[in-house]
Amino acid sequence: ETGVTQSPTHLIKTRGQQVTLRCSSQSGHNTVSWYQQALGQGPQFIFQYYREEENGRGNFPPRFSGLQFPNYSSELNVNALELDDSALYLCASNTRNTGELFFGEGSRLTVL
Amino acid sequence: QQQVKQSPQSLIVQKGGISIINCAYENTAFDYFPWYQQFPGKGPALLIAIRPDVSEKKEGRFTISFNKSAKQFSLHIMDSQPGDSATYFCAASAGGGADGLTFGKGTHLIIQP
Repeated sequence: ETGVTQSPTHLIKTRGQQVTLRCSSQSGHNTVSWYQQALGQGPQFIFQYYREEENGRGNFPPRFSGLQFPNYSSELNVNALELDDSALYLCASNTRNTGELFFGEGSRLTVL
Repeated sequence: QQQVKQSPQSLIVQKGGISIINCAYENTAFDYFPWYQQFPGKGPALLIAIRPDVSEKKEGRFTISFNKSAKQFSLHIMDSQPGDSATYFCAASAGGGADGLTFGKGTHLIIQP
């Protein structure tokens, strides 16, 4: 059974640029969520995708957007990067009927 | 904003002792309460979870105690081991989880040999 995989693991961007992060969900999982974890903090919910549509969103501005593909993999896009966007971005997957989230190891984004 | 308040921020326990981490929530719609364990450089991993229809759940050395009237829940780690040293997060969600998990700020646990 393949777990949740994310890429890239680390990246550095400058303020104002755009970034795309990628996630492959665990085998058999049809729901993907994205979380932002600032240093020393708990993860914060960005949004969730099910059947290729966003069906839940946290308190994040529209410049945070996403996609889910037919194979349930997902992308997180962040436009107009700000310094405060520096964080670990976590992808999690689960089946629709369970609350148990399986997290990937994250993509560490640094905005300079 | 929905909140889950976690304490203590950091905790040092001797090997073999009991580690206790507490969380309190405000939103009475929350119906799923998991605990996650995170090691440096890794994503959070589900440790144990409870729903409000029971007051306690035990899995091995890990126990969740849940007090619905007080809106509090806690994690007890019995016979704590150095390998348990990690950051622990409580979390909560409502109604199937479409609004995601709301996490506490975490507890950095150190088990001294």
